Order: sequence, then structure tokens, then C-alpha cells
Amino acid sequence: GAVVSQHPSWVICKSGTSVKIECRSLDFQATTMFWYRQFPKQSLMLMATSNEGSKATYEQGVEKDKFLINHASLTLSTLTVTSAHPEDSSFYICSARPLGSGRIDEQYFGPGTRLTVT
Amino acid sequence: GENVEQHPSTLSVQEGDSAVIKCTYSDSASNYFPWYKQELGKRPQLIIDIRSNVGEKKDQRIAVTLNKTAKHFSLHITETQPEDSAVYFCAASENTNAGKSTFGDGTTLTVKP
Repeated sequence: GAVVSQHPSWVICKSGTSVKIECRSLDFQATTMFWYRQFPKQSLMLMATSNEGSKATYEQGVEKDKFLINHASLTLSTLTVTSAHPEDSSFYICSARPLGSGRIDEQYFGPGTRLTVT
Repeated sequence: GENVEQHPSTLSVQEGDSAVIKCTYSDSASNYFPWYKQELGKRPQLIIDIRSNVGEKKDQRIAVTLNKTAKHFSLHITETQPEDSAVYFCAASENTNAGKSTFGDGTTLTVKP
């Protein structure tokens, strides 16, 4: 149980276009999902916290108008990279926290999406 | 905000030897410290964690120690095996949930057969 999927697993897009990445909790409901970015050989950086039915909370330095997050249901959060540029090329990982979880350690990572902007 | 530093950035050991990775944190309010293993191009996997009310925790070949006074914690892997080769990340968070953790920069561990 507790499986999180991401789609697509990799995507190549042209500079200036927008790309949507989906994060789904397959066998549980998640009121909270997290979006991370990981550059090659670097650490995971939390970009934003996605809350079902409300606006996402962005970390300092992350442009909310560039990285649009929509958490429309208890099993789906989407991250849209708008007007993508080569510097947005990265590995984007989501994680999901089960509804009602009281455990500090409980989060399940998706497999990641490799975005390459040419 | 929290700042987590991790050392070394790369570590190479012979199979069967022990490996130690160290992290320091800056925010004394942090009280949850997970360690993740990430293989190339894959998702991070939680391998062990420790909370601030405990000084040491062990799970088979893996152990973690925490020194709250000095604000540092360490991962110890004994009897290393080639399949332990991966990038290891430490993290720290404050009593909310692991999703809000601040991560260290990672240690690339290579276990030579």
C-alpha cells in the first residue's frame, strides 16, 4: 500500500512552453502533498506544500506564478512549470501525506519526473 | 530557517567496512531527523529516523546517533555491501511532519566489492 505515482516520468519541452506534472496517491487520500526540486548531484529542495482545496504554500524564493500548483482532489496534485527555461531543467519529486496521519514520519515519495527544457 | 550540513560529500569504503556520515543542524527547535537513501534517478527511501528524545537508534546494520547539545547526528552503516552504494541524505524538521524537512546536500557512498 501507500503508493504515489507521478506522470510523466520524463519530459522534454522547448523553452517558453508550459509543462504539467501530476502527482497521484493511488491507494490513499492525501490532504497534503509536497513538491521538491532536485538538481543533478544536489539535495532535495522543498518548493511548496500543496493543500487540497486551498492555495499552496510556497517556500521562500520559489515563484508562485511560475510554478503553479493545483490540489483539486484528495488524490491528485499538479505542478505546472510555466514558460519553462533551461534553468528549470531538474528532477521534480512529490510526496504525499495520508489524510489524518498523526505520524511525523509518514510521507510517501513519488518516483520523480525528469524535466529537460531545450 | 534551518540549515543542515552534511559530510563527507563522497565516501568510498571496502565491502565489509563501516561507513559513517555526519550532519549538523542549526535550529534547536528541530526534533525529527530522518535519513534517506536515494539510488540514481529514483525516489528517496526512508531508511531510519530518530527523534530528539532518543540518543541512538539501531536497525540491523544501520544506526543513527543524535547529540542535541552539539546539534549533530550521524548515520552508521556496518558490514557494508555493494548494494548499499547510493546517495544518502540527512534531514531535520520541527515537530510538524517530515514533508517540511530541510535536507543535507547528500553523501555519495560507494562500496567496493
